[in-house]
Amino acid sequence: DGGITQSPKYLFRKEGQNVTLSCEQNLNHDAMYWYRQDPGQGLRLIYYSQIVNDFQKGDIAEGYSVSREKKESFPLTVTSAQKNPTAFYLCASSIGGRGRNQPQHFGDGTRLSIL
Amino acid sequence: AQTVTQSQPEMSVQEAETVTLSCTYDTSESDYYLFWYKQPPSRQMILVIRQEAYKQQNATENRFSVNFQKAAKSFSLKISDSQLGDAAMYFCAYRRPVSGNTPLVFGKGTRLSVIA
Repeated sequence: DGGITQSPKYLFRKEGQNVTLSCEQNLNHDAMYWYRQDPGQGLRLIYYSQIVNDFQKGDIAEGYSVSREKKESFPLTVTSAQKNPTAFYLCASSIGGRGRNQPQHFGDGTRLSIL
Repeated sequence: AQTVTQSQPEMSVQEAETVTLSCTYDTSESDYYLFWYKQPPSRQMILVIRQEAYKQQNATENRFSVNFQKAAKSFSLKISDSQLGDAAMYFCAYRRPVSGNTPLVFGKGTRLSVIA
């Protein structure tokens, strides 16, 4: 079945460490997104990519980095510059072009905690 | 920038009753797309219903329907015959009309409890 796979499900980061969250999709979607979810905050956009080798910052990009070398993959790195990384991270994808009313499809998320 | 406001952090409903969740948004666009997503305790995001702003008819999906008031910039979700499985966080979301590749703007969510 087509879908979005996020790994790992749980991740722990030590102080000063960079960690990378994986997101892979086999839906042949053009666009991919990373959101951060904190209690009472809803989902906030970190980065998004509309095509391969291109990406844009979202509302809370500081302390994060991404790459989009393949259509299927959009990994998110949480750098040591992100001082409050504890949150639930959701990856999503959507079809582009004329599919303007098409929804975003979401992965099952990664829970990141500080050791 | 577009904003989405869900003014009810928590709601509760008796099983088999009807409940309405509120959502308002701020935009200067005339064409856009609105969505309601459900997030159960598993934290998976599930699409509930979608609405195109250019359509006057309110969207309906089984027990879920919306009341879309474009002039008031309001997009409420009505759940009829509530079931225990409807208990979840519900997020209202807005998308600009540029293409299917634009990000969603989410409200902060409403936590719905269903009482047996």
